[in-house]
Amino acid sequence: AQSVTQLDSHVSVSEGTPVLLRCNYSSSYSPSLFWYVQHPNKGLQLLLKYTSAATLVKGINGFEAEFKKSETSFHLTKPSAHMSDAAEYFCAGRGAGSYQLTFGKGTKLSVIP
Amino acid sequence: DTGVSQDPRHKITKRGQNVTFRCDPISEHNRLYWYRQTLGQGPEFLTYFQNEAQLEKSRLLSDRFSAERPKGSFSTLEIQRTEQGDSAMYLCASSLVDRDYGYTFGSGTRLTVV
Repeated sequence: AQSVTQLDSHVSVSEGTPVLLRCNYSSSYSPSLFWYVQHPNKGLQLLLKYTSAATLVKGINGFEAEFKKSETSFHLTKPSAHMSDAAEYFCAGRGAGSYQLTFGKGTKLSVIP
Repeated sequence: DTGVSQDPRHKITKRGQNVTFRCDPISEHNRLYWYRQTLGQGPEFLTYFQNEAQLEKSRLLSDRFSAERPKGSFSTLEIQRTEQGDSAMYLCASSLVDRDYGYTFGSGTRLTVV
């Protein structure tokens, strides 16, 4: 069964320092993987997606994620955090032949001035 | 194109009342999804439409829940005899036929049952 695990419920970084949000997935099939961001009282905005093409995926707002099949990971990174990055981030996966997205529980990112 | 629109943004209702939410997807998207997000959790799949056909329903969608998408355009999600456990954010998303596109989500309807 498809499952997605976000390893940290809360990450706190200083402005200008790197961001790392961790996501592991389990699936019997090569999945499609996504990162979404949710600001308070807002819907989910797609940051980036992996769909069996390049393993290093570039998204919006300077975010990147690398698909590592051997580690079943899809961690989200950004070289330098901005105050506006403070939000909740969700990793999601979709197995082959499925239309459902399975979401992790989310990681709340705090950015300290 | 203003994206996926959901109405209302907030709904407070008394336990036992019926509520209905509306979702207007991106006009060229033929797939529409409903998800529910409770506090501190990621969204959970409820149901999915391709055009007007409801193709998949989660076991989370009890018989008090019904969703429709007449004419394959907007969709409604109705909850009958609301319970406090129904309090959540209800998110709608839409996508194109090509499943490799990520969904576009609306801003959600926050339901509070008192």
